[in-house]
Amino acid sequence: QVQLQQWGAGLLKPSETLSLTCGVYGGSFSDHFWSWFRQPPGKGLEWIGEINHGGITNYNPSLKGRVTISVDTSKNQFSLRLSSVTAADTAIYYCARQGIAVTGTGFDYWGQGTLVTVSS
Amino acid sequence: QSALTQPASVSGSPGQSITISCTGSSSDVGAYNYVSWYQQYPGKAPELMIYDVTNRPSGISSRFSGSKSGNTASLTISGLQAEDEADYYCSSYTYNSILVFGGGTKLTVL
Repeated sequence: QVQLQQWGAGLLKPSETLSLTCGVYGGSFSDHFWSWFRQPPGKGLEWIGEINHGGITNYNPSLKGRVTISVDTSKNQFSLRLSSVTAADTAIYYCARQGIAVTGTGFDYWGQGTLVTVSS
Repeated sequence: QSALTQPASVSGSPGQSITISCTGSSSDVGAYNYVSWYQQYPGKAPELMIYDVTNRPSGISSRFSGSKSGNTASLTISGLQAEDEADYYCSSYTYNSILVFGGGTKLTVL
């Protein structure tokens, strides 16, 4: 059984850096791509970016270079950093697994979500 | 404004069939068979219902089906049940490997 468990600070001030980590328990870490998403309260989903076990990344250009996704294969974890946050970054952040051999380009396992609020 | 266009809401009675559309462009939906559909209940993480246009993950009811014609993908739910009431999102990869979403559709079971 695959589980994704995420953690990180939930309250930030403007200009600070958001930092979240997602731990992967069960399944193969190397056979999948791993992504971060966010969802502002009451709004739709937005893809932030992805990483594979080799550290190859791909980011949503809408985040204008503020995002960094990294991986720690020794711990089966991947992390998100988003710099210079503003109130517009307030959202529920999710980590997820892209199924590849299991579910193609679909994301079959998701973390529980972390509400990150940016407020002065 | 979302890259993919979905109706804000759809509704249907139990037992009926409904279809949710997801319209993109020749640079995303029309370019590849990489459309997925997600169901999301309030306060919960999304759940994958359809991947790569037509495929159902293990454990997903056969009442859910996906299709695509040109730049528009569709999710059809047959034999509508009360438990299907949720938000539904489509996603697609673009020509430059960016994942984009529709704005979401709220399904109401009357």
